[in-house]
Amino acid sequence: EAGVAQSPRYKIIEKRQSVAFWCNPISGHATLYWYQQILGQGPKLLIQFQNNGVVDDSQLPKDRFSAERLKGVDSTLKIQPAKLEDSAVYLCASSLDSAGGAGGELFFGEGSRLTVL
Amino acid sequence: AQTVTQSQPEMSVQEAETVTLSCTYDTSESDYYLFWYKQPPSRQMILVIRQEAYKQQNATENRFSVNFQKAAKSFSLKISDSQLGDAAMYFCAYRSGAGGTSYGKLTFGQGTILTVHP
Repeated sequence: EAGVAQSPRYKIIEKRQSVAFWCNPISGHATLYWYQQILGQGPKLLIQFQNNGVVDDSQLPKDRFSAERLKGVDSTLKIQPAKLEDSAVYLCASSLDSAGGAGGELFFGEGSRLTVL
Repeated sequence: AQTVTQSQPEMSVQEAETVTLSCTYDTSESDYYLFWYKQPPSRQMILVIRQEAYKQQNATENRFSVNFQKAAKSFSLKISDSQLGDAAMYFCAYRSGAGGTSYGKLTFGQGTILTVHP
């Protein structure tokens, strides 16, 4: 079974530029999460989708971050304009449903590392 | 809001020895789940072990076991017979049960870097 796919793995941009990250969850997983992981910290949830609807985006900086999940499958996370403090790893995860499927497990991708100069 | 605290930024262990990683959490909910995730340098998070709050029995998965103290809100991870491949960042995480305020999403601690010495 294919895992959660993310791209690009690495991205370097200058501040005020824009960037987009893509995530393809495990087939059949209804719930998709985007987490931000700053170096040395635990991941922080940015946004949670159930199918193509938003469940929780309370910690998404909406003035610069946006995310969509068209057709309830793939998702993109965009940052425009980027700030220095956006340098982080952006992790995508998926689960069968909001309860995380059997036993509550979320499956994570390898992440996209963003460096803002 | 729920919080998860890992008070050990770094831990080290000799190969074949046992190490315990600490985690405490704060919640007013009675129905929840607790997890330990491992994040190797490749960055992909992998589930190590899970514990349902309603279960009194501590979860075990091969060399990994937990000490779940619900009243104390403590959830430590014990790794027995440590192997070089166990070296990674370990995260403790909390998820609300059905109907909870954070249903579905994981709230993570700050992580503990585990080094295994040969």
